[in-house]
Amino acid sequence: SQTIHQWPATLVQPVGSPLSLECTVEGTSNPNLYWYRQAAGRGLQLLFYSVGIGQISSEVPQNLSASRPQDRQFILSSKKLLLSDSGFYLCAWTTGPGEGGYTFGSGTRLTVV
Amino acid sequence: AQSVTQLDSQVPVFEEAPVELRCNYSSSVSVYLFWYVQYPNQGLQLLLKYLSGSTLVKGINGFEAEFNKSQTSFHLRKPSVHISDTAEYFCAVSLSGTYKYIFGTGTRLKVLA
Repeated sequence: SQTIHQWPATLVQPVGSPLSLECTVEGTSNPNLYWYRQAAGRGLQLLFYSVGIGQISSEVPQNLSASRPQDRQFILSSKKLLLSDSGFYLCAWTTGPGEGGYTFGSGTRLTVV
Repeated sequence: AQSVTQLDSQVPVFEEAPVELRCNYSSSVSVYLFWYVQYPNQGLQLLLKYLSGSTLVKGINGFEAEFNKSQTSFHLRKPSVHISDTAEYFCAVSLSGTYKYIFGTGTRLKVLA
């Protein structure tokens, strides 16, 4: 069966420090991978998505970047965190366009202090 | 451009009462429609989806939704809610043949004893 792993579950980082969040998918190949951010009391904002190794599409210009070094690995990074980067980060995957629906990871709660 | 509107940010309802969570979308092309549930500090879980065919879709946990093309709506219903249904619910659309989903801002359902 397919599973998605996301870590860490919680993270407290000082302003200006780097960030690396990792997401891996098991049990499938060539998934479409996504990073979303959910700010307190708000909906989901699509940050990045990837349809293949090394292929990254950015939805919102910001302080973050994403990479896909392997087929089932998706990494969200920042060189210097801002207070506004605080939020709940969710990784998701799907196969093929449109109809499958996302499978979400359990999320990472990031607090920048 | 496509959009999803969830007009109700919060819906309080007493236990065992029926509930309807509203979702309207805007799109000039065919879409797939989804409802997700998010429990506190967790990822999103797929409740149900409409791809084609019967406009009444049944999902997990006793939820159902009806696709109304003329009103561009996909409202979520449950005839009798439980305390455990307290969560945030997100409506989402996916354009046929695309990789991205558009989410509504969510409706927080609070079931009261």
